[in-house]
Amino acid sequence: SSELTQDPAVSVALGQTVRITCQGDSLRDYYAAWYQQKPGQAPILVIYGKNNRPSGVPDRFSGSSSGTSASLTITGAQAEDEGDYYCSSRDNSGNHWLFGGGTKLTVL
Amino acid sequence: QVQLVESGGGVVQPGRSLRLACAASGFTFSTCGLHWVRQAPGKGLEWVAVVSHDGAHKYYVDSVKGRFTISRDNSKNTLHLQMNSLRAEDTAVYYCAKEGARFGAGNWFDSWGQGTLVTVSS
Repeated sequence: SSELTQDPAVSVALGQTVRITCQGDSLRDYYAAWYQQKPGQAPILVIYGKNNRPSGVPDRFSGSSSGTSASLTITGAQAEDEGDYYCSSRDNSGNHWLFGGGTKLTVL
Repeated sequence: QVQLVESGGGVVQPGRSLRLACAASGFTFSTCGLHWVRQAPGKGLEWVAVVSHDGAHKYYVDSVKGRFTISRDNSKNTLHLQMNSLRAEDTAVYYCAKEGARFGAGNWFDSWGQGTLVTVSS
């Protein structure tokens, strides 16, 4: 299928670990990238490739993948991690890109 | 550092046209694929179009194919999106985004502009 599926919302207690998942057929061929978006702001890249963090992204963010599923894990979630998280990848053709529907993360 | 600055958004009537621009700086413009991604009010991100580093290859989401045209001017470090036959459902913030790997080798966007709002309404 040409879509990426995410849970709409996830919550985590401050300092605990949370995993946000993304499912789609194209993830068998392409790594997912993960973006964080806060209200009124542009998205920012937090994870790309097998498990790479851009400069400036805290090391509590990590990524993994298996088959048609990808995950973003935040180990020791902080209040500033609240926001919407989107996975993205190419589709099966390799010429189009897809975004998941987004997961709203609440830190309690 | 990398900067992407969109312009050209505004209010437009259904069926009319609008041309967006994205001015880029801080990287070697001609080596990176560039994309337009949009976000309708209160909704998620939607990929719209891509142009390869040399302008030779262009791809679109089905909903805009035949109405939108993506282009780039590597001599002016500028990306464009020509939007024709606009519909209410095209209302969104439009972001330009830069691929994180040179020459199409990756599938992530490492830099985004702040976006420009397009409102299609009569």
